[in-house]
Amino acid sequence: DAGVIQSPRHEVTEMGQEVTLRCKPISGHNSLFWYRQTMMRGLELLIYFNNNVPIDDSGMPEDRFSAKMPNASFSTLKIQPSEPRDSAVYFCASSLALLAGGPDTGELFFGEGSRLTVL
Amino acid sequence: GNSVTQMEGPVTLSEEAFLTINCTYTATGYPSLFWYVQYPGEGLQLLLKATKADDKGSNKGFEATYRKETTSFHLEKGSVQVSDSAVYFCALVRGKLIFGQGTELSVKP
Repeated sequence: DAGVIQSPRHEVTEMGQEVTLRCKPISGHNSLFWYRQTMMRGLELLIYFNNNVPIDDSGMPEDRFSAKMPNASFSTLKIQPSEPRDSAVYFCASSLALLAGGPDTGELFFGEGSRLTVL
Repeated sequence: GNSVTQMEGPVTLSEEAFLTINCTYTATGYPSLFWYVQYPGEGLQLLLKATKADDKGSNKGFEATYRKETTSFHLEKGSVQVSDSAVYFCALVRGKLIFGQGTELSVKP
């Protein structure tokens, strides 16, 4: 079975450009998470969705970041305009939440990440 | 609030050495606890879990016991291999998964 699929794997862009990261969760999973990982701040939860509805976006750093989940098999994380401090590895993860509102099983399946470099 | 604290890395060991990575947590009630592992260039993957006090999670030679008295979930392995070199994350679930900061393990031949 295919795991969580993210694209692109690597993105290099210039400051001010729009960046769109994509994620396809595991089929049948109903929760999707976006994380950011940097050396300085570690692993940060940006936003998560349950049944395509955003549940908690308190980790989204600022208005330049937005995330959507138009259907159960696709999500995007957009940064507009991008800045050098957004450089990081962005992970998407999915899970099957037993109860609404959270990853109650705690088993998240991560994609391989999208490494973003903003010059 | 809910949080997880891990010992700082990096931890460097020789092959076949004994490994302990400390993890303590703060949470209301008794949440399920997890260890995730991240190999170089990859995403995190679940290593083991324990869902209630005194449970022992185990996988691939790694073990961790849920200790409510000390609010701890230390990761252990009796004999590490070079292939165990990775970053290890302790986590708990309270509505969402809360991770510790990660501990990098480097195993030398």
